[in-house]
Amino acid sequence: QSALTQPASVSGSPGQSITISCTGTSSDVGGNDSVSWYQQHPGKAPKLIIYDVSNRPSGVSYRFSGSKSGYTASLTISGLQAEDEADYYCSSYTSNTGVVFGGGTKLTVV
Amino acid sequence: QVTLRESGPALVKPTQTLTLTCTFSGFSLSTSGMCVSWIRQPPGKALEWLALIDWDADTYYTRSLKTRLIISGDTSKNQVVLTMTNMDPMDTATYYCARTDSNTWFFSTWGQGTLVTVSS
Repeated sequence: QSALTQPASVSGSPGQSITISCTGTSSDVGGNDSVSWYQQHPGKAPKLIIYDVSNRPSGVSYRFSGSKSGYTASLTISGLQAEDEADYYCSSYTSNTGVVFGGGTKLTVV
Repeated sequence: QVTLRESGPALVKPTQTLTLTCTFSGFSLSTSGMCVSWIRQPPGKALEWLALIDWDADTYYTRSLKTRLIISGDTSKNQVVLTMTNMDPMDTATYYCARTDSNTWFFSTWGQGTLVTVSS
């Protein structure tokens, strides 16, 4: 069982928006602004898409955005495109054990 | 341009010790603020952070595996090495190294990963 809780799957149609949640505790998500999000296509390494809750690295599409409220962080993808179909992972620095990841969410673009 | 590449054995036997090397370019581990982490992913499962080494050679480990892991750096070779003892079939996974932010520990650039299978 992963330390951060994500839905196992979400789906959306091209052009729509979806949101993936990531719920933790006061020791991780709720205790700092270190949440990051990663996109992983099958057979590929993860790619950073959001860091420090809501910051986008250079080169990442504006369609990806992040936020946080209390113990839950969220990743929103707007204007869904077929290429967004992938697995998404959240992570957070934790005062207890370094870094914890979520269990991952499979996004299907139908 | 920052790149990282993992190397090591594809197959190890149970109880053996695994040694993986991360060779990187585009930054120096001796530069203040630079860190490298190891992360693994069992087939079809989630990511798991294992260890981090920073520019000061300080090391950090995930609590559940701390007794089995050693992370070390060779700044002259631009390499970080991870050693994991007493390998078990449950340790079968793709192992990644990644450049890590020193403040909030996000993983900015990842290597391609190397699959390690533990089997007799």
